[in-house]
Amino acid sequence: ETGVTQTPRHLVMGMTNKKSLKCEQHLGHNAMYWYKQSAKKPLELMFVYSLEERVENNSVPSRFSPECPNSSHLFLHLHTLQPEDSALYLCASSQDPSGTEKTQYFGPGTRLLVL
Amino acid sequence: AQSVTQLDSQVPVFEEAPVELRCNYSSSVSVYLFWYVQYPNQGLQLLLKYLSGSTLVKGINGFEAEFNKSQTSFHLRKPSVHISDTAEYFCAVSDRGRNFNKFYFGSGTKLNVKP
Repeated sequence: ETGVTQTPRHLVMGMTNKKSLKCEQHLGHNAMYWYKQSAKKPLELMFVYSLEERVENNSVPSRFSPECPNSSHLFLHLHTLQPEDSALYLCASSQDPSGTEKTQYFGPGTRLLVL
Repeated sequence: AQSVTQLDSQVPVFEEAPVELRCNYSSSVSVYLFWYVQYPNQGLQLLLKYLSGSTLVKGINGFEAEFNKSQTSFHLRKPSVHISDTAEYFCAVSDRGRNFNKFYFGSGTKLNVKP
């Protein structure tokens, strides 16, 4: 499989559930990103990992917990979410965070609904 | 920090007509510029990018964009649209020189191509 893949594509969870979103990139990139896309709002950058180290955390509530075990995989662990967390969660990767090739490549997203 | 403005939230256009989607960014420092397209229930797909060189950039699906440094703009154009171009389009800006490529996204423009 090529590009950036995300699983599951759709997820419905209650506010007391614990679930995880998975992202995998097959591009040999060194940086990975989590974004939140809500209706009528710009894409919000949540977390950035560069060479498996977290380099940015944009004041995201602690009910979202990222994990990057290696440069190809990125997880977003979800716990006691709120209905306003319902959104499309997009994963992206880029080649070299310190180089000139800055293009980010996106996965298809996970559509999350919190009841 | 950058801010990216896409003035038109929705653009209706008839098939085979030309279209321009506008994008302006805030900072005059050296930047990288991108346009992405998002079809329903999908992630973001790269249309084109400006990293350096010629200010007129050609992308996929017949789209092109022109970088105008003095006006801090990167408008997207297509001379003749198709029904299949109906989607949401996002402009993104990344500052050069950072140790990772943080993207600043506009709020998106929905292109609705009518028969």
